[in-house]
Amino acid sequence: KAGVTQTPRYLIKTRGQQVTLSCSPISGHRSVSWYQQTPGQGLQFLFEYFSETQRNKGNFPGRFSGRQFSNSRSEMNVSTLELGDSALYLCASRGRTSGTTDTQYFGPGTRLTVL
Amino acid sequence: DQQVKQNSPSLSVQEGRISILNCDYTNSMFDYFLWYKKYPAEGPTFLISISSIKDKNEDGRFTVFLNKSAKHLSLHIVPSQPGDSAVYFCAANGATNKLIFGTGTLLAVQP
Repeated sequence: KAGVTQTPRYLIKTRGQQVTLSCSPISGHRSVSWYQQTPGQGLQFLFEYFSETQRNKGNFPGRFSGRQFSNSRSEMNVSTLELGDSALYLCASRGRTSGTTDTQYFGPGTRLTVL
Repeated sequence: DQQVKQNSPSLSVQEGRISILNCDYTNSMFDYFLWYKKYPAEGPTFLISISSIKDKNEDGRFTVFLNKSAKHLSLHIVPSQPGDSAVYFCAANGATNKLIFGTGTLLAVQP
């Protein structure tokens, strides 16, 4: 079974631009979560989507948004990019239920660099 | 406020010896705990988990211990191998379904 895939793997943008990242979960998984990893902050939770609905949101500004499609694929958008948005963005998918004990499986991440 | 803490940013161990990675948490509502391993430029890989109703879970060379009264968990790797060298994250989950991660511990296993 294929794992979580993320595209693109690397991205370079300039301040003020916007960016869209894509995530395809493991087949059959309905939950997709997004995380930001920076050297100083570790992995920070952005949001989770389950069956096309945002179920949870972390403490990030409104410039960070996401959506999930009917096939469970998810996109994350960051508008008006700032230098501090440079990070590894990770997507994780979780099983078929809404339970809290389903393990999350991560994709390889998208490395975003903002110049 | 860091709800999940890994106070040791790095750990160095000799091959064949035991590696013990520690994690503390503050939120008593967490009921599920996980350990992930991460290599550079890759996503975290799930290692092992434990529910709050248990105090130990074992999978091959990896054992996780949970002490709820101390709000402490640890990951034991025995015997340690050079391929175990990576960053290890502990994570906690509760009713909110948000996975809260620690800041990670870099394990170096010396041959």
